[in-house]
Amino acid sequence: GAVVSQHPSWVICKSGTSVKIECRSLDFQATTMFWYRQFPKQSLMLMATSNEGSKATYEQGVEKDKFLINHASLTLSTLTVTSAHPEDSSFYICSAMAGAPQETQYFGPGTRLLVL
Amino acid sequence: AQKITQTQPGMFVQEKEAVTLDCTYDTSDPSYGLFWYKQPSSGEMIFLIYQGSYDQQNATEGRYSLNFQKARKSANLVISASQLGDSAMYFCAMREDSSASKIIFGSGTRLSIRP
Repeated sequence: GAVVSQHPSWVICKSGTSVKIECRSLDFQATTMFWYRQFPKQSLMLMATSNEGSKATYEQGVEKDKFLINHASLTLSTLTVTSAHPEDSSFYICSAMAGAPQETQYFGPGTRLLVL
Repeated sequence: AQKITQTQPGMFVQEKEAVTLDCTYDTSDPSYGLFWYKQPSSGEMIFLIYQGSYDQQNATEGRYSLNFQKARKSANLVISASQLGDSAMYFCAMREDSSASKIIFGSGTRLSIRP
């Protein structure tokens, strides 16, 4: 299957700093990437949909100014958590799909963010 | 209303037995897809199996099969001959083709395999 990577896998930062998480599709071109957040013992919640070359579409309740998403190329999307606070501590997972809506989404390994 | 419902928060199964994980869904979209993902403690989401709403046959992938009952809106995952490595969280998910490829996840079932 297709491979999606995320970097970093772990990040610990101080409150008030910004953190950038990268999501890359390694062996295919991803027209669409998705960003999810997962709190402990909970399910994945979709944060936003990212299409290459256009603005991301955010889900209701997700602050677009806090969670900046850039999908600059067909293999890279980035999520920047601006002015992170302890309540932003979570597991962030991206997924990518190649083309048609019926295509399977492939998930990255996730990034654990801890804000102190 | 919940679009994806998994009613089993946790299950214990003896190794080598078959196990069925329940999933029901709710949609008015005639075209949709159903997925099952496995999430081990490492956190990665592993794609297991996919069923399209128009597929006539139940999907199978190795030891995984999806019991798709369209009229009942259920998409249960069956794992045959369970193994210790099957212990993980399992998520049922749905994509409505009218919703820009977004996948909605159920709350998950934690499966524990006993040796």
